[in-house]
Amino acid sequence: NAGVTQTPKFQVLKTGQSMTLQCAQDMNHNSMYWYRQDPGMGLRLIYYSASEGTTDKGEVPNGYNVSRLNKREFSLRLESAAPSQTSVYFCASSEPGQGIAEAFFGQGTRLTVV
Amino acid sequence: DQQVKQNSPSLSVQEGRISILNCDYTNSMFDYFLWYKKYPAEGPTFLISISSIKDKNEDGRFTVFLNKSAKHLSLHIVPSQPGDSAVYFCAARITGGGNKLTFGTGTQLKVEL
Repeated sequence: NAGVTQTPKFQVLKTGQSMTLQCAQDMNHNSMYWYRQDPGMGLRLIYYSASEGTTDKGEVPNGYNVSRLNKREFSLRLESAAPSQTSVYFCASSEPGQGIAEAFFGQGTRLTVV
Repeated sequence: DQQVKQNSPSLSVQEGRISILNCDYTNSMFDYFLWYKKYPAEGPTFLISISSIKDKNEDGRFTVFLNKSAKHLSLHIVPSQPGDSAVYFCAARITGGGNKLTFGTGTQLKVEL
């Protein structure tokens, strides 16, 4: 049972390059999320997808795009990377419902933009 | 505007003693509060949660207390073990918000032998 799987685990980009972070979950969850973690900032929501076919902006969406490819997969794209996007990115999934609030996280992608 | 605050960046506790991690929030629309634990180079893992209609939830060595009037919650770990050394994040969910979580900045707990 893999849970939430993110690829790649590490990436170095040059300013202006583009890349896509991949995320897949095998828990049949409807909702998926992308967060970024920066020192002293906690985790901040970039985009989320409440269900297949829907996506919405979170707290810090600028410079990113997302695609909910199917129920399992949710990708995050950086079209033109900037040094400010150097961060650790976490994908998560959950099944919202009565009494259920926890999200399950992947292991993270450490991205450095030089 | 930081809606979920963890004002202690770090905490050091001796093995066997109680660890108390604190969290304050400002938004009255939060209906669930969660604690996550994070080891280096790993994703956060869910630890324990509490509904806003309760004031205490217990799971083994971990207990979360919620004081709604003070907009404050705390995580108690008793007894603390060296394996508990990690960063602990407090998080909160808004009613009807699609399970989006708002996180605090985290507290680094170090349990010393």
